[in-house]
Amino acid sequence: GESVGLHLPTLSVQEGDNSIINCAYSNSASDYFIWYKQESGKGPQFIIDIRSNMDKRQGQRVTVLLNKTVKHLSLQIAATQPGDSAVYFCAENDSGAGSYQLTFGKGTKLSVIP
Amino acid sequence: DSGVTQTPKHLITATGQRVTLRCSPRSGDLSVYWYQQSLDQGLQFLIQYYNGEERAKGNILERFSAQQFPDLHSELNLSSLELGDSALYFCASSVAPGAEDEQFFGPGTRLTVL
Repeated sequence: GESVGLHLPTLSVQEGDNSIINCAYSNSASDYFIWYKQESGKGPQFIIDIRSNMDKRQGQRVTVLLNKTVKHLSLQIAATQPGDSAVYFCAENDSGAGSYQLTFGKGTKLSVIP
Repeated sequence: DSGVTQTPKHLITATGQRVTLRCSPRSGDLSVYWYQQSLDQGLQFLIQYYNGEERAKGNILERFSAQQFPDLHSELNLSSLELGDSALYFCASSVAPGAEDEQFFGPGTRLTVL
């Protein structure tokens, strides 16, 4: 498959354990955040989003936590499975700037050890 | 499968040349986005179209241009190619143009400039 990036931070997790992927965002005015998953050879895929008026949101096996004070976002994956192996990106948007575009972080590579 | 198609999958060309990348959005989606993903820059937003009109512009070089046609497919034209233009180019589509409208990404076009 395609190589997304050779210089990404890597997180290795044992199958069945929980994973925590972190993201420091840059714009204190950003009010909408998304986590994407990108598997080798594929485009990014939406996982979960959160608005700035929330500090936690849960999906199926995933939880996103937002700490606006320190501009930090995290993605927690419960009971990590081999199919979770991918690169994970956070993205942010500042709707107050009238912008429709997303700014993506550099990504973290998650490797699940069977 | 996201429903977004991109052609070609791979493209190899020489410096100074011009290429056209094509994207067909998901059925019913009116908004199309183009992104560039390189090893050192990560995923960068280039440009967005909505129902045939340019909606937002990101880090798109003047040598690059795009358009969205009446049938909603989009093309990204890259001219006077340089070695640094080698990257994965992704197209995404969404129903509406807002940042909070989920974007569905295609499989990408891998451009190699020799």
